[in-house]
Amino acid sequence: EAGVAQSPRYKIIEKRQSVAFWCNPISGHATLYWYQQILGQGPKLLIQFQNNGVVDDSQLPKDRFSAERLKGVDSTLKIQPAKLEDSAVYLCASRRQGAGELFFGEGSRLTVL
Amino acid sequence: AQRVTQPEKLLSVFKGAPVELKCNYSYSGSPELFWYVQYSRQRLQLLLRHISRESIKGFTADLNKGETSFHLKKPFAQEEDSAMYYCALGGSGNTGKLIFGQGTTLQVKP
Repeated sequence: EAGVAQSPRYKIIEKRQSVAFWCNPISGHATLYWYQQILGQGPKLLIQFQNNGVVDDSQLPKDRFSAERLKGVDSTLKIQPAKLEDSAVYLCASRRQGAGELFFGEGSRLTVL
Repeated sequence: AQRVTQPEKLLSVFKGAPVELKCNYSYSGSPELFWYVQYSRQRLQLLLRHISRESIKGFTADLNKGETSFHLKKPFAQEEDSAMYYCALGGSGNTGKLIFGQGTTLQVKP
């Protein structure tokens, strides 16, 4: 089975610019997660979707971050405007509904200059 | 507050030596604990979970609720075990939401 796909793998932008990341979960996985991993730290959950509904976005900085999963499959995470401290790897993960392990994508590495 | 602590950023051992990666957690409910591993240039993947009580690649981990710990152990380290290891806490409700520790780099020297 194909794994979680993410793009782009790398992105370099200037502060105050915007950026978007895309994630395609494993087919049939109802739950999708976006994690932020800053260098030297463990992944931190930004937002969790169940199908196309948001389950948890308590740690998403909503003044600059937004995410959607309109058709309950692919998801995009947007940052606008970016700050220096947003430099991180953005990980997407998916899981079958109600059970099982999380499967992670390779991540999108963002550098904000 | 829910928290996972991995006190060692780096653990360096020689091949064949025993390994113990420490993990302590803080959680008021009934926790689910996991170990995830990230090998060089690979994606983060599940190594083992406490409810399975299984041994994967020679690694085991026992949940100690009294000490709120979930240390990862292997009696004889191999060079291919070199990787980044993350302890993760899942809460009740089976949402799949995980809280990760900061990670420990395991370096197994020949």
